[in-house]
Amino acid sequence: AQSVTQPDIHITVSEGASLELRCNYSYGATPYLFWYVQSPGQGLQLLLKYFSGDTLVQGIKGFEAEFKRSQSSFNLRKPSVHWSDAAEYFCAVDSGTYKYIFGTGTRLKVLA
Amino acid sequence: EAEVAQSPRYKITEKSQAVAFWCDPISGHATLYWYRQILGQGPELLVQFQDESVVDDSQLPKDRFSAERLKGVDSTLKIQPAELGDSAMYLCASSSRTEFGDTQYFGPGTRLTVL
Repeated sequence: AQSVTQPDIHITVSEGASLELRCNYSYGATPYLFWYVQSPGQGLQLLLKYFSGDTLVQGIKGFEAEFKRSQSSFNLRKPSVHWSDAAEYFCAVDSGTYKYIFGTGTRLKVLA
Repeated sequence: EAEVAQSPRYKITEKSQAVAFWCDPISGHATLYWYRQILGQGPELLVQFQDESVVDDSQLPKDRFSAERLKGVDSTLKIQPAELGDSAMYLCASSSRTEFGDTQYFGPGTRLTVL
């Protein structure tokens, strides 16, 4: 069965520090991959997506993600975190059936 | 920028009562999804529509939940009767399919509290 794993439930970083959120998926072929961000009490906002082509994907708010087929990973990165980045981040996979499977999320806390 | 609209944003009800949530997708999006998100977890699909037809409702508790999208535009999700375990965020998303895949855009959600 397809699955998405976000190993880190909580991450705390200082403002200005770099960030990497991990996402691993289990699927036979190359799926479509997404990162969403959710602020408390809000819906999910799309940060970036990977369908094919260049494995380094640029998104909104200065985020990027790299697809690594050999590691079945799609990790999200930001070189310098801002206090407004504090939120919950979800990785999602679409295996081509137009149905997403979401990870359990990583809650990011930013220290001033 | 077009957005998915949902109402109400918050709903408090007592168990055994009926509740209904409304969603208006982005104009032109043929596919509409309802998700349930329990606190601390990722969203889980309840039902998927393609135009007015249900494509997947395998995870919808059909004894108490119903969903409709009569004209293939807006949609309503109903729970009757509500149970304590239904307390969650209910998210609506819509998408349009392209040759590059399917990208879902989410509404702000309805936070349901069942007392």
